[in-house]
Amino acid sequence: KAGVTQTPRYLIKTRGQQVTLSCSPISGHRSVSWYQQTPGQGLQFLFEYFSETQRNKGNFPGRFSGRQFSNSRSEMNVSTLELGDSALYLCASSLSSNPNQQYFGPGTRLTVT
Amino acid sequence: DQQVKQNSPSLSVQEGRISILNCDYTNSMFDYFLWYKKYPAEGPTFLISISSIKDKNEDGRFTVFLNKSAKHLSLHIVPSQPGDSAVYFCAASGGYGGSQGNLIFGKGTKLSVKP
Repeated sequence: KAGVTQTPRYLIKTRGQQVTLSCSPISGHRSVSWYQQTPGQGLQFLFEYFSETQRNKGNFPGRFSGRQFSNSRSEMNVSTLELGDSALYLCASSLSSNPNQQYFGPGTRLTVT
Repeated sequence: DQQVKQNSPSLSVQEGRISILNCDYTNSMFDYFLWYKKYPAEGPTFLISISSIKDKNEDGRFTVFLNKSAKHLSLHIVPSQPGDSAVYFCAASGGYGGSQGNLIFGKGTKLSVKP
């Protein structure tokens, strides 16, 4: 079974721009969570989607948003990029029967200049 | 306030010996715990998990122990192999409402297994 895939793998953007990252979960997984990893803060939860609905949200500003499609694929969007948004963005998927046992994708490395 | 703490940033072990990675948590509502292994520039790889109704779970060379009264869990790797060298993250989640899909991670412990 294919794992979680994320595109693109690497991205360079300029301050003030916006960016959209994509995630395809493992087949059959309907829950998708997003995390941000930075050297200072570690891995931090952004939000979780299930059946196209945001079910849980972390402590990030409204510039960070996401959505999930009917095929469980998910996107996250960051608007008005700041230098501090440079990070590895990780997507994880899980079965609806156990949303906490998550399997991660390789991540998207975002650099904001 | 860190709810999940891995107090050892690094650990060095000889090949063939046991590696013990430790994790402490503060939130008594956590009821599910996981260990992940991560290589640079890759996503975390799930290793093993344990529910709070158990105190031990074993999978091959990996065993996780949970001590609820001490709010402490540990990951034992026996025997350690050079390929185990990576950063290990402890994560926890709560069964309370609004916590689905939200894993709280520790800062990680870098394990080096020397041949």
